[in-house]
Amino acid sequence: NAGVTQTPKFQVLKTGQSMTLQCAQDMNHNSMYWYRQDPGMGLRLIYYSASEGTTDKGEVPNGYNVSRLNKREFSLRLESAAPSQTSVYFCASMHDFGYEQYFGPGTRLTVT
Amino acid sequence: GESVGLHLPTLSVQEGDNSIINCAYSNSASDYFIWYKQESGKGPQFIIDIRSNMDKRQGQRVTVLLNKTVKHLSLQIAATQPGDSAVYFCAENSGGSNYKLTFGKGTLLTVNP
Repeated sequence: NAGVTQTPKFQVLKTGQSMTLQCAQDMNHNSMYWYRQDPGMGLRLIYYSASEGTTDKGEVPNGYNVSRLNKREFSLRLESAAPSQTSVYFCASMHDFGYEQYFGPGTRLTVT
Repeated sequence: GESVGLHLPTLSVQEGDNSIINCAYSNSASDYFIWYKQESGKGPQFIIDIRSNMDKRQGQRVTVLLNKTVKHLSLQIAATQPGDSAVYFCAENSGGSNYKLTFGKGTLLTVNP
């Protein structure tokens, strides 16, 4: 039982490049989340998927797109990376509302 | 808007002392609260949770207290150890069929040997 896994662990992009961050969970959780974490800003929600087939915007969705590929996988795409997107990105999953979220180890992204 | 915040951004304690980390919340509709621990370079890790129908919940060396009257949440760590050094976040679920958590900015706990 690996929990929540994320790939890649580290990534450096040039401004304007695109990439997809991958997330998978093996806990049969219904809900999945993408957060970014910046120094002094705490965790901010980018997008979430309450259940397979649905996605919703969070607090900071601009510049990102998501795909809930199936119940296990939830990807985050940066179509045209900007330096302001330099951050640590965390994926999380949750069984149902009213329960804790489980986090992956994070992806450290630098955009130059 | 509604927010979750922390009173102290940093806390430094001696090994063996008890630690208390505080959190204020402003959404009176919140009915579920969680404390997370985040070690350097890692993702947040669940510590303990409490629902709004409770005032206190205990785990192994940790206790969470909820005061709904003043909208205050605290995490108590007994006999703090160097391995407890981390950033601690509180998070709230604002109730109903709400799949989102709102996180505070975190408190850095440093345990001195």
